Amino acid sequence: GAVVSQHPSWVICKSGTSVKIECRSLDFQATTMFWYRQFPKQSLMLMATSNEGSKATYEQGVEKDKFLINHASLTLSTLTVTSAHPEDSSFYICSARDLRNANDEQYFGPGTRLTVT
Amino acid sequence: GESVGLHLPTLSVQEGDNSIINCAYSNSASDYFIWYKQESGKGPQFIIDIRSNMDKRQGQRVTVLLNKTVKHLSLQIAATQPGDSAVYFCAENPTSGNTPLVFGKGTRLSVIA
Repeated sequence: GAVVSQHPSWVICKSGTSVKIECRSLDFQATTMFWYRQFPKQSLMLMATSNEGSKATYEQGVEKDKFLINHASLTLSTLTVTSAHPEDSSFYICSARDLRNANDEQYFGPGTRLTVT
Repeated sequence: GESVGLHLPTLSVQEGDNSIINCAYSNSASDYFIWYKQESGKGPQFIIDIRSNMDKRQGQRVTVLLNKTVKHLSLQIAATQPGDSAVYFCAENPTSGNTPLVFGKGTRLSVIA
């Protein structure tokens, strides 16, 4: 149990276009999901906390108008990179906690590799 | 600010030897710690966790040690195998409740066959 999926697994887009990444909890519900970004040879950096039915909370330095987050249901959060530029090329990873469990473990998706040309 | 760091960015070990990966944390209020393994192009994979009321926890071939006095966390892998080659991250839960984990910088483990 506690599987998180992401779609697509990789995407290549042209500069100036928008890309949507989906994060789904397959067998559990999550009121909160987290979006991370990871550049090569670096650690995961939290971008934002996605809350079901309310606005996302963005980390300092992350542009909320550029990285649009929608958490419309207890099993789906989406991250849209608007007007993508080459510097947005990165590995985007989402995670979620299982509401049924009292522990604090976060379950991670497999990641989405975004390349902006 | 609060941070989680690692002493060694890279570690090379011979196949069959034991590996020890270290992590220092600075937030004394953190009550939950996790070690993740990340292979190239994949998301982090849970290895083992430990709560602050424990100082040792064992899994299959892995052991996590927590020293709250010096705010130090370590991951021990017994009989390291080529499949253990990956980047390992420690992560801490800085507060109780539904807050995100804070990740350390990561250590790349290379197993020499």
